[in-house]
Amino acid sequence: AQSVTQPDIHITVSEGASLELRCNYSYGATPYLFWYVQSPGQGLQLLLKYFSGDTLVQGIKGFEAEFKRSQSSFNLRKPSVHWSDAAEYFCAARGNAGNMLTFGGGTRLMVKP
Amino acid sequence: GAGVSQSPSNKVTEKGKDVELRCDPISGHTALYWYRQSLGQGLEFLIYFQGNSAPDKSGLPSDRFSAERTGGSVSTLTIQRTQQEDSAVYLCASSWVRQKQETQYFGPGTRLLVL
Repeated sequence: AQSVTQPDIHITVSEGASLELRCNYSYGATPYLFWYVQSPGQGLQLLLKYFSGDTLVQGIKGFEAEFKRSQSSFNLRKPSVHWSDAAEYFCAARGNAGNMLTFGGGTRLMVKP
Repeated sequence: GAGVSQSPSNKVTEKGKDVELRCDPISGHTALYWYRQSLGQGLEFLIYFQGNSAPDKSGLPSDRFSAERTGGSVSTLTIQRTQQEDSAVYLCASSWVRQKQETQYFGPGTRLLVL
């Protein structure tokens, strides 16, 4: 079955530190991949997406993600975290056969001052 | 431009009552999705509309759930005889399907609490 896994439920980092949120997928073929962020009481905001081509994709708010086919991963990174980045982050995938997104369980990011 | 809007923002209802949740997609978007976000199940797909095609209802959890999309724009998700396990955030997303490079944009959600 198709699935997306985010191994870390919670992550705490200090402000200014670097960040990496992990995402692994299990699909028959390489899916289209997305990262969304959800602030408390808000909907999902698209951070970045990967369809094909360059495996390092840039997104909004200084985020980037790297697609690694050999590891079935699409990890999200940010070189220096700001307090406003505290939120829940969702990795999602969409296969070629369907249109709906399959989401990971989410990673809640807390930022220490 | 305007994003996806949903109403109401919050809804409290009693078990057994029917509720209607509304979604206004981004103008010009042909595809519309409903997802449910609950504590126990995470984010789950419910139903998908694309143009005039028959909707993909494969994610609806029971026959108490239904949805319609009028005029290819506004959509209403209806839950009949609500149960406490229906308490969740219901998210709507819309997209413009162009080949395979489709990106879904989400609304703020409707928080449903069934007492």
